[in-house]
Amino acid sequence: GQQVMQIPQYQHVQEGEDFTTYCNSSTTLSNIQWYKQRPGGHPVFLIQLVKSGEVKKQKRLTFQFGEAKKNSSLHITATQTTDVGTYFCAGSSGAGSYQLTFGKGTKLSVIP
Amino acid sequence: DAGVIQSPRHEVTEMGQEVTLRCKPISGHNSLFWYRQTMMRGLELLIYFNNNVPIDDSGMPEDRFSAKMPNASFSTLKIQPSEPRDSAVYFCASSFVQGEKLFFGSGTQLSVL
Repeated sequence: GQQVMQIPQYQHVQEGEDFTTYCNSSTTLSNIQWYKQRPGGHPVFLIQLVKSGEVKKQKRLTFQFGEAKKNSSLHITATQTTDVGTYFCAGSSGAGSYQLTFGKGTKLSVIP
Repeated sequence: DAGVIQSPRHEVTEMGQEVTLRCKPISGHNSLFWYRQTMMRGLELLIYFNNNVPIDDSGMPEDRFSAKMPNASFSTLKIQPSEPRDSAVYFCASSFVQGEKLFFGSGTQLSVL
């Protein structure tokens, strides 16, 4: 079945440093979604990427979808303590499919 | 809208007891999901309902798990009998239509002693 690998598993950064998490799928994806889960909280939707090579920005967050639609990344510029949490990617292999395969997530810690 | 509402937030029970988790999806959403989250296995899809009909229950671990959606505004996940390995956070999520972004509830932290 479809597998979505996410690295790194953990990342500790000093406040103000950049952060990147990478997501790789064993199969070509129709779209990829990103979620953020604060400690003790629930996953919250951030963004969905659909097109090959797509790049989207949300303030200090930049999301990319690979040309082959098998990988994606989330980059945070100048991290803040409010960025603390676990970031998950979730891939879907069929347009309109309900089947989202979640990566294990990258847990980000920001040292003030 | 209040979002996806789950109850209880926390459940502590003894092995062998029946556990029932409840979920109220966002009004108007036609897709409902039950996920389980553990450190070892991450987020796993247990069951998916579309328009109140179970479409995919292949993620349900075994016969001890069952889920129902009697109407568009309510779903339950039942574990009978519960076992310590069932300890996890159980999330309910809904989406407006299939394939769209998921809205998660606050989850139920289940501890089976």
